[in-house]
Amino acid sequence: QLQLQESGPGLVKPSETLSLTCTVSGGSISSSSYYWGWIRQPPGKGLEWIGSIYYSGSTYYNPSLKSRVTISVDTSKNQFSLKLSSVTAADTAVYYCARHVGVPSEYYMDVWGKGTTVTVSS
Amino acid sequence: SYELTQPPSVSVSPGQTARITCSGDALPKQYAYWYQQKPGQAPVLVIYKDSERPSGIPERFSGSSSGTTVTLTISGVQAEDEADYYCQSADSSGTSVVFGGGTKLTVL
Repeated sequence: QLQLQESGPGLVKPSETLSLTCTVSGGSISSSSYYWGWIRQPPGKGLEWIGSIYYSGSTYYNPSLKSRVTISVDTSKNQFSLKLSSVTAADTAVYYCARHVGVPSEYYMDVWGKGTTVTVSS
Repeated sequence: SYELTQPPSVSVSPGQTARITCSGDALPKQYAYWYQQKPGQAPVLVIYKDSERPSGIPERFSGSSSGTTVTLTISGVQAEDEADYYCQSADSSGTSVVFGGGTKLTVL
């Protein structure tokens, strides 16, 4: 059974870089059928897609976050990672990693991690 | 930027039918997907490609599409269906994922 697990610091200082890793178990991140990505949810608010990556390294980002986001993949470790630079309090959220099924014009998320809370505060 | 519009809340009594709508200009050309999220939990996919139901999702969940509006229908609502529901699609460029603002379903 495929499982995704987010990990990383729960507290990040303003202006610094948020870094999270998603470890995939029970399946290969190198499968040709899937992308892998990140979604976040600020406290009490809705879902916001951050971006996705293919095992080959091709990436797609939310235009509103593109200038600050980098998603990378490490197939040898079956992991993919998120870096969000110059964070502010508005980046405080629960961050989910999720498997994306299909191609970018019509993909959806069928397996999600449990989420990890990241707070931006000094 | 592209937006998907959902009603903030829908309320129904147990056993009734709940309908949650999602509107967006690109929906005639893009598939829609629906997620259920209960407090403190990750979202769960309940409908994909407008009307397909993943394995393990009860038959009372169905989806439909008409023009710029897609609808999630829950027939015979049960107390356990009380949750937030989000629609999701792609923008007109087909390269960015967009979520609706979410609808809180209350079972009275």
